[in-house]
Amino acid sequence: KNEVEQSPQNLTAQEGEFITINCSYSVGISALHWLQQHPGGGIVSLFMLSSGKKKHGRLIATINIQEKHSSLHITASHPRDSAVYICAVGGAQKLVFGQGTRLTINP
Amino acid sequence: DTAVSQTPKYLVTQMGNDKSIKCEQNLGHDTMYWYKQDSKKFLKIMFSYNNKELIINETVPNRFSPKSPDKAHLNLHINSLELGDSAVYFCASSQDQNFFGDTQYFGPGTRLTVL
Repeated sequence: KNEVEQSPQNLTAQEGEFITINCSYSVGISALHWLQQHPGGGIVSLFMLSSGKKKHGRLIATINIQEKHSSLHITASHPRDSAVYICAVGGAQKLVFGQGTRLTINP
Repeated sequence: DTAVSQTPKYLVTQMGNDKSIKCEQNLGHDTMYWYKQDSKKFLKIMFSYNNKELIINETVPNRFSPKSPDKAHLNLHINSLELGDSAVYFCASSQDQNFFGDTQYFGPGTRLTVL
């Protein structure tokens, strides 16, 4: 079992739907990162959080340290949100990545 | 201006060759990283440098040698390339040496294909 597990692995939705991607981890962390990898391959850091909740535009990330769980939400999804979303947990000079969630938003 | 740049973007070479990938960041960051993304799209940390000093060296064959001439550059040299080295290699940087508790900025990636 990986130290970082994401679900679902693949997600297809219609434009406008509310999207939730989950990340569970089993290691101690100093921070959790959400990354977006575009179809062209580029990687962008969306959020880094160690507690609570962060919001940027239509994206919201939450983390529950006690439960070792984080969620990434996308409101009013759009086809341009189609990408692979990667959760990574960092701490103790180690960064461990989840396997990614491939999101496809259809018009 | 590109924040983290890598060259080349694509690299196709024969087994046994030696090749280098260059990375430069103009963000003034102190820490730089090399990651490998395999065919299953898993990302793994390879190396981390802070102010030109090697901080993290994961279990990577010693055919891979990072070189940091200054804190804005972190190059990756690979000797005696093998088929299994085919992957996309990403360079990244972050502000300080809190390593993975700091936002990382990624380069565009270098797709290495070993024939």
